[in-house]
Amino acid sequence: GQQLNQSPQSMFIQEGEDVSMNCTSSSIFNTWLWYKQDPGEGPVLLIALYKAGELTSNGRLTAQFGITRKDSFLNISASIPSDVGIYFCAAMNYGGSQGNLIFGKGTKLSVKP
Amino acid sequence: NAGVTQTPKFQVLKTGQSMTLQCAQDMNHNSMYWYRQDPGMGLRLIYYSASEGTTDKGEVPNGYNVSRLNKREFSLRLESAAPSQTSVYFCASSPRGGGLAGYTFGSGTRLTVV
Repeated sequence: GQQLNQSPQSMFIQEGEDVSMNCTSSSIFNTWLWYKQDPGEGPVLLIALYKAGELTSNGRLTAQFGITRKDSFLNISASIPSDVGIYFCAAMNYGGSQGNLIFGKGTKLSVKP
Repeated sequence: NAGVTQTPKFQVLKTGQSMTLQCAQDMNHNSMYWYRQDPGMGLRLIYYSASEGTTDKGEVPNGYNVSRLNKREFSLRLESAAPSQTSVYFCASSPRGGGLAGYTFGSGTRLTVV
């Protein structure tokens, strides 16, 4: 079946650092999304991307839809403590008969001890 | 602005007991979904309902049943709970076809089967 490979699985951040994570697939998708999950809560949409090559920002977050339509990247600039949580990439082919999202396994951001 | 509401938030069951997890959305969405989340496994789709009156299996449907009661409500039933079903369960909804903004999730039900 279709799979999204998300990396890294986990990372530690120090306040002020920039963070990068990515998601790849062997399949082509026309929509890529990035979600964040805070502890004890459900995932919340951060950024949605609909066009190959598109670069979209939401505050300190920037995400890109890869030109091959098989990957996406999320960058967080100048991280702050409230950035900790689990980040999920998700992809789908919007407009198909059933636009089910598939999810990566997540990247867990924690604060450096 | 309730969005997707799940009940209960926490539940402990004994092996073999049954229970129903409830989910309701107030966004007039056509499609609804049940996921389970386990450490290191991400979100795995159990069942989904593309529209009122239809349900389909997802990736991990064994041991579960669902009912799309009406457009707003989609319940998940465990007929005979097993320890392997200890997990966090999330309900989500979307417009038909997934919608341009993906899914809206509830805050989850944390289920422990002992």
